[in-house]
Amino acid sequence: DTEVTQTPKHLVMGMTNKKSLKCEQHMGHRAMYWYKQKAKKPPELMFVYSYEKLSINESVPSRFSPECPNSSLLNLHLHALQPEDSALYLCASSQDSGFEQYFGPGTRLTVT
Amino acid sequence: AQTVTQSQPEMSVQEAETVTLSCTYDTSESDYYLFWYKQPPSRQMILVIRQEAYKQQNATENRFSVNFQKAAKSFSLKISDSQLGDAAMYFCAYRSAWPPPRDDKIIFGKGTRLHILP
Repeated sequence: DTEVTQTPKHLVMGMTNKKSLKCEQHMGHRAMYWYKQKAKKPPELMFVYSYEKLSINESVPSRFSPECPNSSLLNLHLHALQPEDSALYLCASSQDSGFEQYFGPGTRLTVT
Repeated sequence: AQTVTQSQPEMSVQEAETVTLSCTYDTSESDYYLFWYKQPPSRQMILVIRQEAYKQQNATENRFSVNFQKAAKSFSLKISDSQLGDAAMYFCAYRSAWPPPRDDKIIFGKGTRLHILP
């Protein structure tokens, strides 16, 4: 089973709201990733967690705050977003560093 | 730094025909992986096929096969007997085999949009 799940599927939020995106995998993978994807573009890496520790932060604005509560869960907390943050947010996991990544279906975020 | 180039932004193929998507990459590493990912209009990114750089044999997965030319740094995807469900954006991707923790990244190409004509 190579399933990564993400909730919610769609999210509309105002610029003053606080919301969270959730990602879950039960494959025993030790690396988890957040990506942002704009239409017709490849995914852009935001954060990487390896063994539940943040290993990469690609200079993402502080209005995005990742959290890895345990090895199966990954959250992305959102606060005071801008309209340009509207995008598809993808979560991925891999067995470990250097292995292929498996992607979730994404959360379509619209900031109004 | 590694780069991945997909020179065909869009392609079309008749249903049941064969199509080849091109990808070139640049790296100074000798040990790495290459991938093709498919992203249909529903937007879920799906791993289609992977190739280990140390393997000379080209990977195949049912109707999907690659032509891996390590010296030329070329990694094309061939789709045989194209089906309507193959319509998607295809991303070529590179990954170091032993990345240091702060370099655990996939490098994606810009993608090729494949249209299947009925």
